Amino acid sequence: DAKTTQPTSMDCAEGRAANLPCNHSTISGNEYVYWYRQIHSQGPQYIIHGLKNNETNEMASLIITEDRKSSTLILPHATLRDTAVYYCIVRGGLDFGNEKLTFGTGTRLTIIP
Amino acid sequence: NAGVTQTPKFQVLKTGQSMTLQCAQDMNHNSMYWYRQDPGMGLRLIYYSASEGTTDKGEVPNGYNVSRLNKREFSLRLESAAPSQTSVYFCASRRDRPYNYGYTFGSGTRLTVV
Repeated sequence: DAKTTQPTSMDCAEGRAANLPCNHSTISGNEYVYWYRQIHSQGPQYIIHGLKNNETNEMASLIITEDRKSSTLILPHATLRDTAVYYCIVRGGLDFGNEKLTFGTGTRLTIIP
Repeated sequence: NAGVTQTPKFQVLKTGQSMTLQCAQDMNHNSMYWYRQDPGMGLRLIYYSASEGTTDKGEVPNGYNVSRLNKREFSLRLESAAPSQTSVYFCASRRDRPYNYGYTFGSGTRLTVV
């Protein structure tokens, strides 16, 4: 799986959009970008994933650059409950035998009141 | 609520003791996983099961065994606990199709080995 690079920590004001970047310059053609978050010590929560098109769901938007070497997770109106560690993960989506979902240390996002 | 249920939530063991961590999911998923998370670190895969009756080693399998009892349940056993196994253990499951779907995680078991 491709390696990802994320900032260690970020702050965002409550009510503003939180933009979390991720670099994955070695991503290959069949690899998806996934985002999870972990609130305090709970189990990780799936947020969104994408291959090459921008994606949006009820939680967030995912913007993937045209060359697919980086992406940005956008939380449109951050609330205090969005304070968490956010993980950007890249893995093959069609390789059923490759079950290793590699979590790095992620970005610690703090929402400021 | 549908999801992944782990028991127990907390456990303290003495070195050399054994125990089994239980995990059950009610989403009819074929794939199930065990991860551990040490303080300040990301998750590391211990074992996984792609379907009932099959299990495979992950990144850090030493000191652990697993059993896929049926489609719903996937247990993790520590035969002789060591302080290095102090960690938070997460169980997860995943839909099979589409293959790129996200994982659902349990709330974790916090294990301390003294």
